[in-house]
Formats: sequence, structure tokens, C-alpha cells
Amino acid sequence: DAGITQSPRHKVTETGTPVTLRCHQTENHRYMYWYRQDPGHGLRLIHYSYGVKDTDKGEVSDGYSVSRSKTEDFLLTLESATSSQTSVYFCAISSLAPNEQFFGPGTRLTVL
Amino acid sequence: SQQGEEDPQALSIQEGENATMNCSYKTSINNLQWYRQNSGRGLVHLILIRSNEREKHSGRLRVTLDTSKKSSSLLITASRAADTASYFCATASQVEGAQKLVFGQGTRLTINP
Repeated sequence: DAGITQSPRHKVTETGTPVTLRCHQTENHRYMYWYRQDPGHGLRLIHYSYGVKDTDKGEVSDGYSVSRSKTEDFLLTLESATSSQTSVYFCAISSLAPNEQFFGPGTRLTVL
Repeated sequence: SQQGEEDPQALSIQEGENATMNCSYKTSINNLQWYRQNSGRGLVHLILIRSNEREKHSGRLRVTLDTSKKSSSLLITASRAADTASYFCATASQVEGAQKLVFGQGTRLTINP
């Protein structure tokens, strides 16, 4: 998976609790992305980063925040998880566009 | 909202046959990409075609792009059982050097031995 790891790989949590997902890369790519994948919706972009401390919103950013304090790590935080945030979350990295994105193995999050 | 619409949603063929998947989109793009996803895994990039290109080949893959019709197709020739997967098109727009991808819902391809 092109030097990308995601942690945890599986998580079950309760509504209202905070959750942080981590994406770690060893490729030194500048650009990092968080997507969610749901049946019937394909993948949708949540947030992305174009450098350390530089982030922006994607298509479905409500209820999510991100942080990138160093090149290799991109954190996705659900401040107060809701059942609608049950999904599979994928992190991706890329070099300068236009270029392919490399995806991590995914984190399956269940919010009860 | 999803930009890409893929057709068909599911496709089942015999090994050795060709598989064609189609993707339509709504707005202008910088490039269009195709990805494959095996069950329970992350996505793997297959091919990227830029907006000024009409056709591109990579091994058994052939991608076409018609920007006037806002559509693309992915052809897999001489299919193999290992090609069984979901295939997604993604349209790309560039912001600050990053690529914002908008994915279609995908085509589930099954290759029967």
C-alpha cells in the first residue's frame, strides 16, 4: 500500500464520543486526503492537505476536522461521533498534480 | 453529490471476454482516473487520462475520454479471474497542487472461470 498505514484498522465507538483516525506515510508526499466510502455513494472527499498545517475542506466535511503537524501524519477527528459517520475511511497520498493517489488499507468505523 | 455516474453497476462475464465500463460526469475536469478495489482493500490506481487526451493504453487496459460528451470508458481485454473487483472512475480538479477527486459509485466486475 505504497508506504501508507492507517490506525486503528477497526473501531467501534458510541454516539457522542470523540474519535481520531491516523494516517501515516513514509513516502514524503506533500498531499494527503481523507475519504469515506459508503454503499451507494462511492468514495467522498472529507478533507485534504496541501502541506504541513495547510488543510482544506472536501465534499463532506461537516462533523470532521483534520490536523497535519508534520509531513508524514494526517489526523482525522470526529469531535462527537454520530451513527451517520459509520463508514470505511480511507487515507490517500499523492505528489504534485496531475498524478495518481495511493490509498491506505482503510479504517472501518462503527458508531453505535 | 457524485459527479461520476458509472454504467453498468454490475457486470458478469466469462474469463477471456472483454469487459467495458462507462463513466459520465457533469463538469469540466483536469483529468480522469480509473481505480480498482478488491473486496475489503484500498483502491489501486489503474490509469490517468488528461483532458486533452482521447485514448490511453496500459497493458490490457484501454481508456477513452470524450470531453464533448463528458464520458469515459474503460476496456479490459482478455479478462482473467484476478480482474474480479470493483472499478471506479474519478474526475480530478486541481487546487494548490492537490487533486480533489470525485468518484463514481463503481462497477462490480465478476469474471467467471
